[in-house]
Amino acid sequence: DGGITQSPKYLFRKEGQNVTLSCEQNLNHDAMYWYRQDPGQGLRLIYYSQIVNDFQKGDIAEGYSVSREKKESFPLTVTSAQKNPTAFYLCASSIVGQASTGELFFGEGSRLTVL
Amino acid sequence: AQTVTQSQPEMSVQEAETVTLSCTYDTSESDYYLFWYKQPPSRQMILVIRQEAYKQQNATENRFSVNFQKAAKSFSLKISDSQLGDAAMYFCAYRRGYNFNKFYFGSGTKLNVKP
Repeated sequence: DGGITQSPKYLFRKEGQNVTLSCEQNLNHDAMYWYRQDPGQGLRLIYYSQIVNDFQKGDIAEGYSVSREKKESFPLTVTSAQKNPTAFYLCASSIVGQASTGELFFGEGSRLTVL
Repeated sequence: AQTVTQSQPEMSVQEAETVTLSCTYDTSESDYYLFWYKQPPSRQMILVIRQEAYKQQNATENRFSVNFQKAAKSFSLKISDSQLGDAAMYFCAYRRGYNFNKFYFGSGTKLNVKP
């Protein structure tokens, strides 16, 4: 079945450590996204990528980094510079162009807790 | 800048009754997409319904329907015959067009369904 796989589902990190969240999709979608969700709040865009080897900052990119070396993969690194990294992280993808039905397809999310 | 506003942080409905969730948005574009996503306690984001702005007919998906008023920039979601499984956070979202890859989300409405 096609879909988006995020791992790990739960992750604990000590302060000062970098951590990388994985996102893999087999939907053949061009665009991929990372969102952050805090309790009781909406989604805030961290980074997005429309094509391999290219990505753009979203609204809250500080303290995060990404790479897009393959179409299928868009890992997110939460660096020690991110002051409040405890949150729920959602990866998503979408089709670009006229074939698109418009919507985002989401993974199941990763819960990061900083101890 | 595009913004999406959900003015109802929380709503309640009796099982089998009908409830309407509100969403307004701000845009100067004529071609765009609007979506309603459901996020149950599992936190998986699920597409409920989509509307393309050029279509005058309101979208429907089984018990879910929208009231799309383009001039008023309003996009409300009606849930008929509410079920316990409808209890979730509901997010309204906007996308400018299939060649534009940023999505804008509202802050969400928490729907409680009473047995």
